[in-house]
Amino acid sequence: AQTVTQSQPEMSVQEAETVTLSCTYDTSENNYYLFWYKQPPSRQMILVIRQEAYKQQNATENRFSVNFQKAAKSFSLKISDSQLGDTAMYFCAFMKQGAWGGGNKLTFGTGTQLKVEL
Amino acid sequence: DSGVTQTPKHLITATGQRVTLRCSPRSGDLSVYWYQQSLDQGLQFLIHYYNGEERAKGNILERFSAQQFPDLHSELNLSSLELGDSALYFCASSEDPWGGNEKLFFGSGTQLSVL
Repeated sequence: AQTVTQSQPEMSVQEAETVTLSCTYDTSENNYYLFWYKQPPSRQMILVIRQEAYKQQNATENRFSVNFQKAAKSFSLKISDSQLGDTAMYFCAFMKQGAWGGGNKLTFGTGTQLKVEL
Repeated sequence: DSGVTQTPKHLITATGQRVTLRCSPRSGDLSVYWYQQSLDQGLQFLIHYYNGEERAKGNILERFSAQQFPDLHSELNLSSLELGDSALYFCASSEDPWGGNEKLFFGSGTQLSVL
């Protein structure tokens, strides 16, 4: 079974600054995906960024980038030029690749509540 | 807007009752997933349906059941409700069941309160 650990329950950052959210995971799988989802006060789960484990290059999406360290089983999210709208709960999640028999189950971490302050 | 529609947004009921949560996936998506988000358990996978067939079960209680209809909408039935069933129930959909280039799109959830 896979586990995802987010050790930072809460974080805060000043507007326009950079913040990094940590995530570690445990798996015996070699092929998988990692995700960061954002849940603002509206409760909507929004996909922020996705990383395929077979790719060495770190994924980036505008102000969001990841630092994927496969050997260390670490997957951190960096938010640059933080904006007030980035205030949300951020969840790290794992999905086994090719999991047809087992379904595409997402295993989530416990989340990090990020507050962007003026 | 993710394109996934969940109704109702809020549901308040009493212990012992039965409720039905409804989900309409994005147009063209054949897979529907149900997740439960609670304070003590976090986000947990409940069940996955693909084109009307159950594909995977997670931590779903026997009091809970789901189905996916020919028009691809799905319903999650919760019966003999207990206080601990109070949670936010998410539905998500995707077009690819193979775990290949997978992206799940989530609805805005149904907040269930059992009093």
